[in-house]
Amino acid sequence: AQKVTQAQTEISVVEKEDVTLDCVYETRDTTYYLFWYKQPPSGELVFLIRRNSFDEQNEISGRYSWNFQKSTSSFNFTITASQVVDSAVYFCALEGWDYKLSFGAGTTVTVRA
Amino acid sequence: DVKVTQSSRYLVKRTGEKVFLECVQDMDHENMFWYRQDPGLGLRLIYFSYDVKMKEKGDIPEGYSVSREKKERFSLILESASTNQTSMYLCASSFPSRTDIQYFGAGTRLSVL
Repeated sequence: AQKVTQAQTEISVVEKEDVTLDCVYETRDTTYYLFWYKQPPSGELVFLIRRNSFDEQNEISGRYSWNFQKSTSSFNFTITASQVVDSAVYFCALEGWDYKLSFGAGTTVTVRA
Repeated sequence: DVKVTQSSRYLVKRTGEKVFLECVQDMDHENMFWYRQDPGLGLRLIYFSYDVKMKEKGDIPEGYSVSREKKERFSLILESASTNQTSMYLCASSFPSRTDIQYFGAGTRLSVL
């Protein structure tokens, strides 16, 4: 069985602070994909990134960066210089061989002006 | 742009009613999914379909059924709605390919009174 744990339920920061969201996963699959999705107040999940299990390179996209460490089964997400528009619920997810996504419980990020 | 459209944003039904939640996608995706989202639990897969008239149970199928008569449309059916089915329901679709991702609709918030 696959499991994704997002231990942080809520994070509140002031604008321009950095915020890091933790994600730890469990799987027996040797090939798998990890995802981060953003859910703004409008409700629709927005895809942010996908990483396959063989690619441990960190990635940066603008103010977003991701740190994948297979040795600790973690796929953490950092928002640098946060903005009010970053306020949302963020989900980490894992996809195994069967195309099904297992989601973490989500982390609510509130960025205050 | 991929469009996944859920017919209702908000729905209020009474206990025992038969409820239909509709989802339509315009990208000719083979795979379609229904999730429910609850606070602290993230998204949980109810059912998915990888082709017309095909369906597979997800993690929490009890109390639900699905219908996929056309490729673009995937319906979630609550045969006899109960209060514990009050939730946010999200539909998603994707190609059956490792290079594709799931695209989500905006969700239907269902209240069963």
